[in-house]
Amino acid sequence: EIVLTQSPGTLSLSPGERATLSCRASQSVSSSYLAWYQQKPGQAPRLLIYGASSRATGIPDRFSGSGSGTDFTLTISRLEPEDFAVYYCQQFVSSPYTFGQGTKLEIK
Amino acid sequence: QLQLQESGPGLVKPSETLSLTCTVSGGSISSNDYYWGWIRQPPGKGLEWIGHIYYSGRTYYNPSLKSRVTISVDTSRNQFSLKVRPVTAADTAVYYCARRGEKTVAGWFDPWGQGTLVTVSS
Repeated sequence: EIVLTQSPGTLSLSPGERATLSCRASQSVSSSYLAWYQQKPGQAPRLLIYGASSRATGIPDRFSGSGSGTDFTLTISRLEPEDFAVYYCQQFVSSPYTFGQGTKLEIK
Repeated sequence: QLQLQESGPGLVKPSETLSLTCTVSGGSISSNDYYWGWIRQPPGKGLEWIGHIYYSGRTYYNPSLKSRVTISVDTSRNQFSLKVRPVTAADTAVYYCARRGEKTVAGWFDPWGQGTLVTVSS
């Protein structure tokens, strides 16, 4: 099983700042097989990024993804108030298709 | 616009069967391009993939749950379903249904249903 470890567990930043979230895989994951989701309280996760770097439909360009192998990054260039949420990475290169434990992005 | 909606009992007794249905609207479940999946999230915790199904009935399950889980599809009703048996308190979670791509390289989930909380308790 591929374990995805996200860091930090909690990130405290202010609106307008840049956020960098990490997702590290226990074994190599082709970049095509990694996605990022955003989840707000009481809501379902929403797809942000697929193929490690492609934005889903309707996702603002302040969200970007990068990485390869075992290290992936989600960057939010300039935080808006609505961006404070929990973020998950997911791999689908091999079963079981696993998610990271999440990074909570909170307002400082 | 494709929408998914989960339905089913919110309370299930230990050792019994959890049964949920996902109704797909705004698109056909019989599309060649997609699988239909279930994901769960225990309160305050992360996401766990349960499994997914193709309209033909082909299924893929999380090995950790495979012995207790059945996913089925009803193309005439544009629905797919989840059964977990027997349940324990550890199965208490919000259960989501979602669509994923048919190709392995398109294995992300989008869109998702709103989720339904199932509590296992006597």
